[in-house]
This record gives sequence, structure tokens and C-alpha cells, in this order.
Amino acid sequence: DADVTQTPRNRITKTGKRIMLECSQTKGHDRMYWYRQDPGLGLRLIYYSFDVKDINKGEISDGYSVSRQAQAKFSLSLESAIPNQTALYFCATGQTDTEAFFGQGTRLTVV
Amino acid sequence: GQQLNQSPQSMFIQEGEDVSMNCTSSSIFNTWLWYKQDPGEGPVLLIALYKAGELTSNGRLTAQFGITRKDSFLNISASIPSDVGIYFCAGQNSGGSNYKLTFGKGTLLTVNP
Repeated sequence: DADVTQTPRNRITKTGKRIMLECSQTKGHDRMYWYRQDPGLGLRLIYYSFDVKDINKGEISDGYSVSRQAQAKFSLSLESAIPNQTALYFCATGQTDTEAFFGQGTRLTVV
Repeated sequence: GQQLNQSPQSMFIQEGEDVSMNCTSSSIFNTWLWYKQDPGEGPVLLIALYKAGELTSNGRLTAQFGITRKDSFLNISASIPSDVGIYFCAGQNSGGSNYKLTFGKGTLLTVNP
């Protein structure tokens, strides 16, 4: 079983719909992150959380929200999806500043 | 904000050749990391560098933390087909609530058998 599990792995949704991407981890790490990957743009940080009561915006948080339901769970929501949010989304966890263990990704398409 | 320039964007090489890629930054980092992303997977950490001037190897991979703390390179020797993927550099400054692991845009490596 993967240490960092993302669901769903693939999703197609319509413009304006609300969608939630989920991430769970079995590594026992306090820190969890959501990144977005677009071709030619690398990985960009959306939100991050250092513990259950801590939520921080990353560099591209507009249009997204997150919830840290437990140490092991960190979900990303798109309240009203738009086509330019079509991307590959990665959850990551870590225990120190320099750790980032990534999940397998969720490919989201907004039509 | 901090930006990383990673080059080249893509490389096509023959099996057995050596590969070199690098990252430069306009600002100083305390840590440099190199990741590899296989097709359909998330990035996986290859090498972490914590000190300016540090040279670290991991099998056929060698990476260095530039003495100015503004650059790093990754070398792959004697490439094999399974080296195919996207390689990312990442720089990080520790501490505080302004945490951010800044990633380069990636180098896509193709190895022809």
C-alpha cells in the first residue's frame, strides 16, 4: 500500500461544479502539502499545513480551499471548477522542512 | 518571489551517455533537492544537499550544492533506459511560517536504447 494515497486518480468534471480531492497518509507526518503540476511550469504550491490546526496559503491558492480533517488527511476543494484548473494535482507529506513524499497524483480535467 | 531556472528543458540521449542538468536561482537557498518523476507517478527524492560546496553521490547520480548557494547541478553517468523521466530541482529555506519548497520547471530526459 502506498504511504501517501490520493483519490480519485482521475476525474473529469464540468465548469462550475464543486470537487474535492482527498489525500491520506500512513507515514505519521505532521506536514502535508498540495501542489499543482502543469506542463512546462513544474510544481507549484497551493496550500500547506504543519499540523491539524494550521493552514497556510501557497503561491497559487486562489480558487482553492483545503481542510485538514486529521493528521493523516488533507483535502483540496475547488468550489467552482474552471477549465484552467485542469492539471495534475499532487499531495505530499513531510516531517521536516526538507522532506516531501509525494502521492501518485490526481489528474483533473475541467470541461 | 524566489525563482529557479532549470536547464535544459529536455534532453534526448543515447543509452550509455552521461547527462548533466542544472538549476540557478536569483536568491540563496539553504537546501537543494533533486527529484525524479516517472511517467504516471509522483516525484521521488533522489539526492538532498545541505551545505554549500557539498558533492553527493547516489549510485550513478552525482549532485553538487554550488558554493554561492544559488545553484546546483545533477549528473547521471552511463544512462540507461529506466533513467527516462522528468527531473526537478528544488530549493528550500528553512524555518518560519513562510515555508516554501521552490521547484524548477523540470528537465525531461529521454534515453534511446
